[in-house]
Amino acid sequence: EPEVTQTPSHQVTQMGQEVILRCVPISNHLYFYWYRQILGQKVEFLVSFYNNEISEKSEIFDDQFSVERPDGSNFTLKIRSTKLEDSAMYFCVCGGQGTDTQYFGPGTRLTVL
Amino acid sequence: AQSVSQHNHHVILSEAASLELGCNYSYGGTVNLFWYVQYPGQHLQLLLKYFSGDPLVKGIKGFEAEFIKSKFSFNLRKPSVQWSDTAEYFCAVGGYQKVTFGTGTKLQVIP
Repeated sequence: EPEVTQTPSHQVTQMGQEVILRCVPISNHLYFYWYRQILGQKVEFLVSFYNNEISEKSEIFDDQFSVERPDGSNFTLKIRSTKLEDSAMYFCVCGGQGTDTQYFGPGTRLTVL
Repeated sequence: AQSVSQHNHHVILSEAASLELGCNYSYGGTVNLFWYVQYPGQHLQLLLKYFSGDPLVKGIKGFEAEFIKSKFSFNLRKPSVQWSDTAEYFCAVGGYQKVTFGTGTKLQVIP
């Protein structure tokens, strides 16, 4: 069964540094999302991406965050200047045309020191 | 605005006991409802979903959920739990644009 993959599985960075989280969605899926889960808290929506543009974003997704699909296959989340409170598990999610099921990747654990 | 409430934060059951996890939602449009499960050390997996039709939805591993529109509820049930069901369960509402998750219920099954 096709799966969403994410790299790295764990990223440790210093506060203020830029990080890029990478995802390879399921091929032929058209809807892409990032969610995150701070330890002990609920899963939170960050952003949805369709047709090469952001279709919706949450208040968490401020100017420090950006997403892109640079080569038509990878889907990336960039955090320009990380803060301690950005420490979380980040999930890449994708969905196909005509279905509302979203497929979650295994997550990247981001630790900001 | 869509929201989800899961009232049970931590549930402890013995094996073979019956399970019911509560979920209430609010959503402005045509509702799509989901239950996800996260086993220890693993990523989120879809357990079952409701889009339309029969309000009693059957999912994987013997789980089912019932959509009761008048109560805005989508409770998860299993007649007899196993130790391997120990996990965190998330109710979620939404569609292809955005899914909103509840805070999760940790289920611990004691052998």
